[in-house]
Order: sequence, then C-alpha cells, then structure tokens
Amino acid sequence: AQSVAQPEDQVNVAEGNPLTVKCTYSVSGNPYLFWYVQYPNRGLQFLLKYITGDNLVKGSYGFEAEFNKSQTSFHLKKPSALVSDSALYFCAVRDKRGSTLGRLYFGRGTQLTVWP
Amino acid sequence: GAGVSQTPSNKVTEKGKYVELRCDPISGHTALYWYRQSLGQGPEFLIYFQGTGAADDSGLPNDRFFAVRPEGSVSTLKIQRTERGDSAVYLCASSLTRRLAGGPNTGELFFGEGSRLTVL
Repeated sequence: AQSVAQPEDQVNVAEGNPLTVKCTYSVSGNPYLFWYVQYPNRGLQFLLKYITGDNLVKGSYGFEAEFNKSQTSFHLKKPSALVSDSALYFCAVRDKRGSTLGRLYFGRGTQLTVWP
Repeated sequence: GAGVSQTPSNKVTEKGKYVELRCDPISGHTALYWYRQSLGQGPEFLIYFQGTGAADDSGLPNDRFFAVRPEGSVSTLKIQRTERGDSAVYLCASSLTRRLAGGPNTGELFFGEGSRLTVL
C-alpha cells in the first residue's frame, strides 16, 4: 500500500506568489515526515522534517510545512516563490511500525516550476 | 569527507555482467541506506544498515542484489547477472541515529549524488 502520496505531478507558479506542494500519508499514528528537494543531476537535499511538537515546521530556503493529523497531510509551503526554487520535490514518511523502523518511504515527486 | 560520496557516478555495462557500486557515508553516521530511483519515480528503498549489519534488507528485489558494510562505514552494493530492468540511479544516504523513547530513527538522511547504472 502507498504510504505517501503527492497528488500533483507538476505545480507552476509565478515568482513572488505563494506556493504549495501537497503531500498526504496513509500510515497509522503519528509518523515522522520529511521533505526533500532534488535539483537536476544532483542528489536529494533535506528541507525539513516533522517529528513531534509544533505542527508548523520551518526549514531551509524559507520553506515551511504543516502537519495536519486530521487530514493526514504535510503540505510544503513558501510565502513568496523564487525562480531558483524550481526543482523536483519529494515528500517522505518514516513508519513507526516495528518491522520497518528505519525505512523512509518516498512519494513520486512534484515538479515545481516558478516562472519569472 | 563533507558529504556522502558515491562511485562510480556513471556505469554502463552489458546484460549479464556483475556490477559493484560504492558508497562512502558521512563520517560518524551509523545508519546507511541504499535506494533506487527510476525515471519519473521517487526513490525506492533497497536496504538499510545500522552499523555493520543489515537492519532491513526487504527492499532488495531479488537474490541478484546484495550489499555489505563490513566495517560499519563504506558500503558496496553488488548486482549479479545484470538485467536491462536494473538500469536506474542508485542512491546512497547516511544519517545519524537519534531515537525518541526507543522509537524509529528521527535523523534525516543525507544523500549522495547517485550512481547511474545503464545495462545494455
């Protein structure tokens, strides 16, 4: 079963506008949630994570994400997009069930394009 | 080194050949992960080491795939009798191990730039 879903393959936004990249998860309880970014021909870079505590987490490059337990979502947001934010974004979840304690499940990715 | 290092960055081989991919994690990181990423897909879990031992190898697709980490640092992913379907980018990641009340690792993964494998 899919543990994490990114419903949009692509998101397009104008520079200066707010952006949202959506992520929902399907594991039980309160999972650990992560966002990564991948630039062309580069490895994945960590942006932010939710482990416990405040539902709103802030990360690198002005990004933030909000953990919403009732909607099982962890959407990535930024108040004002930059052209340099254009990249592939991955949501990931770490399950707390015993047999897969270390495994990180990734979504399929969302291509963000910010035009000038 | 400063980051996770993977070699080779590119490997082209023929169907049926044997391939080794190497990962040098960040110094001091006890956890090491191998993932595989195909075009248009998210990374797919293969195996996870905690120290020298494979804590979870359930993502390895079949017995042609094997990975080792004999001294708890460098890891090698080995693929026997390669098939065209093995073509992908193989990603290695490492992390510190931090746990809350004995739960899962809370540490984020640091990824290398990957080894692109092409099987002709």
